[in-house]
Amino acid sequence: EPEVTQTPSHQVTQMGQEVILRCVPISNHLYFYWYRQILGQKVEFLVSFYNNEISEKSEIFDDQFSVERPDGSNFTLKIRSTKLEDSAMYFCASSRTDPRLFFGEGSRLTVL
Amino acid sequence: AQKITQTQPGMFVQEKEAVTLDCTYDTSDQSYGLFWYKQPSSGEMIFLIYQGSYDEQNATEGRYSLNFQKARKSANLVISASQLGDSAMYFCAMREWDDSWGKLQFGAGTQVVVTP
Repeated sequence: EPEVTQTPSHQVTQMGQEVILRCVPISNHLYFYWYRQILGQKVEFLVSFYNNEISEKSEIFDDQFSVERPDGSNFTLKIRSTKLEDSAMYFCASSRTDPRLFFGEGSRLTVL
Repeated sequence: AQKITQTQPGMFVQEKEAVTLDCTYDTSDQSYGLFWYKQPSSGEMIFLIYQGSYDEQNATEGRYSLNFQKARKSANLVISASQLGDSAMYFCAMREWDDSWGKLQFGAGTQVVVTP
């Protein structure tokens, strides 16, 4: 069964460093998403992406965040200058035209 | 305002028993979808079941069924014949339709522990 894959599974970084989280969505999907989950808390929407542009973003998704689909397969989330509070699990998800989202296994980011 | 409310932070259930996880939602849209996801300790988010707002029948997927009560705005998940592998966090979620599907919004989750 096709799946969403994310790399790295875990990244440790120093505060102020740039981080890029990568995702390969399911190949015929059209909509792409990033969510995050701070340890023990609810899953929060960050951004949705369709037709090579952001379709919706949350208040969390400030100027420190950016997304890109540099080629036909990858979908990346960049955090320009990480803060301690960016430590979380980041989930990529994709969907086609039906409403179900399919999630990757997540990338755990630890900011020291 | 909370769009999705899960009032049970944690539940214990015995193996082979059924368990009901509560979920209420808030929307003024007529078209929306309701979802349940499972998150085991390994962290991944696993889609379990979906109910559309216009679906007249309650959704079922194997041992999972969704008890959809539209007038009460509730979408409870029933897991029948619980197994040890069902121990996980369960999230209720909703998407609203407004010319296209909006973002998936999650509740706070219910931690389920299945005991032998």
